[in-house]
Amino acid sequence: EIVMTQSPATLSVSLGERATLSCRASESVSSHLAWYQQKPGQAPRLLIYGASTRATGIPARFSGGGSGTEFTLTISSLQSEDFAVYYCQQYNNWPSFGPGTKVHIK
Amino acid sequence: ELHLVESGGGLVQPGRSLRLSCAASGFIFDDYAMQWVRQAPGKGLEWVSGISWDSGSVGYADSVKGRFTISRDNAKNSLYLQMNSLRGEDTAFYYCAKANGAGSHVWDWGQGTLVTVSS
Repeated sequence: EIVMTQSPATLSVSLGERATLSCRASESVSSHLAWYQQKPGQAPRLLIYGASTRATGIPARFSGGGSGTEFTLTISSLQSEDFAVYYCQQYNNWPSFGPGTKVHIK
Repeated sequence: ELHLVESGGGLVQPGRSLRLSCAASGFIFDDYAMQWVRQAPGKGLEWVSGISWDSGSVGYADSVKGRFTISRDNAKNSLYLQMNSLRGEDTAFYYCAKANGAGSHVWDWGQGTLVTVSS
């Protein structure tokens, strides 16, 4: 089983600031990496797949990068609606999720 | 508009069974793989199971293998999860998901149904 880790566990950010979230895989997953956003009481939403491809309707301020075992999700200028929990998921083998990074207002 | 509506959740005793259903609409159901993903209250996401469009490829998380069975009925635009020998650690919201493959990323999610395993 591929184990996914995310850092930091929580991130305090001010409106308009840049946020960088990290995700690491216990072995290479190539570019088979997705990012999801989840707000309280809601289902997750796909943001990024293939490590760097934005899903339909996702604003350009969200960008993904990396390959192999190290990945990042960058939110270039945080908006109020971006405060949420973000999960990475590998799907190089049967899928597994990271534990999430909670982004909250500083 | 796409809809994925789960049903069948509820309170069940340990060791008993439950069958979840997911009614899909707003897209061509048999063009897509489907998955079940769960989330214990206040916890993270856990992939449970996936099935290809034609049921030819099926996969399960180790935590449910041998106890859960995923299936689909393309004529009814429906996805199912038969859950047997339920345990307390199976307590979670269960999300039905439209996926890029049985073991790939998820395109769209239902709103979830809560399964509580307790005596």
